[in-house]
Amino acid sequence: SQQGEEDPQALSIQEGENATMNCSYKTSINNLQWYRQNSGRGLVHLILIRSNEREKHSGRLRVTLDTSKKSSSLLITASRAADTASYFCATDADKLIFGTGTRLQVFP
Amino acid sequence: DTGVSQNPRHKITKRGQNVTFRCDPISEHNRLYWYRQTLGQGPEFLTYFQNEAQLEKSRLLSDRFSAERPKGSFSTLEIQRTEQGDSAMYLCASSHYSGPGELFFGEGSRLTVL
Repeated sequence: SQQGEEDPQALSIQEGENATMNCSYKTSINNLQWYRQNSGRGLVHLILIRSNEREKHSGRLRVTLDTSKKSSSLLITASRAADTASYFCATDADKLIFGTGTRLQVFP
Repeated sequence: DTGVSQNPRHKITKRGQNVTFRCDPISEHNRLYWYRQTLGQGPEFLTYFQNEAQLEKSRLLSDRFSAERPKGSFSTLEIQRTEQGDSAMYLCASSHYSGPGELFFGEGSRLTVL
């Protein structure tokens, strides 16, 4: 079963624009993570935000977490064609439960 | 390369046959996870190990699926009497025991059941 749902399911933007993806989840969490997956490949960890954190940055990535709303957002600034991929949020107990993903297409 | 390794990368089989996938995790990682992913969906949890102990199995995992990690290193996932609905990407991931923290994924094993 999937804990999270990403919104939108698909997103198309031009290079240089910002991309925002949202994740909602159902139960209490310890951490929330974001992963990226290129087509047909394995997932790559992007960033982890703890339940007591509200915002975290890593390079062009900005993640926010609102535990009262059980939601998180991932912002990719100044997007590049190479950012084209699927992005998943994942929440943890003893194992990670992944959301349904946002498929991001960045056009050059 | 010291990443997570999965073999085979692709497997095509006929319905009713048995298949086995192997995962070699990052050597110092205690935890090993199996996920299944179908097209357009997120990875779905199947089972996980801490060292050689299988700590949890998804209730979605039928009796035709079995996983082992006999010496706490590599793991195998066997599917008996495959069905067309088993067609999916099978992903393995490992992590340090502090968990789960960041997962390191392999490239996956894609199964096609004809």
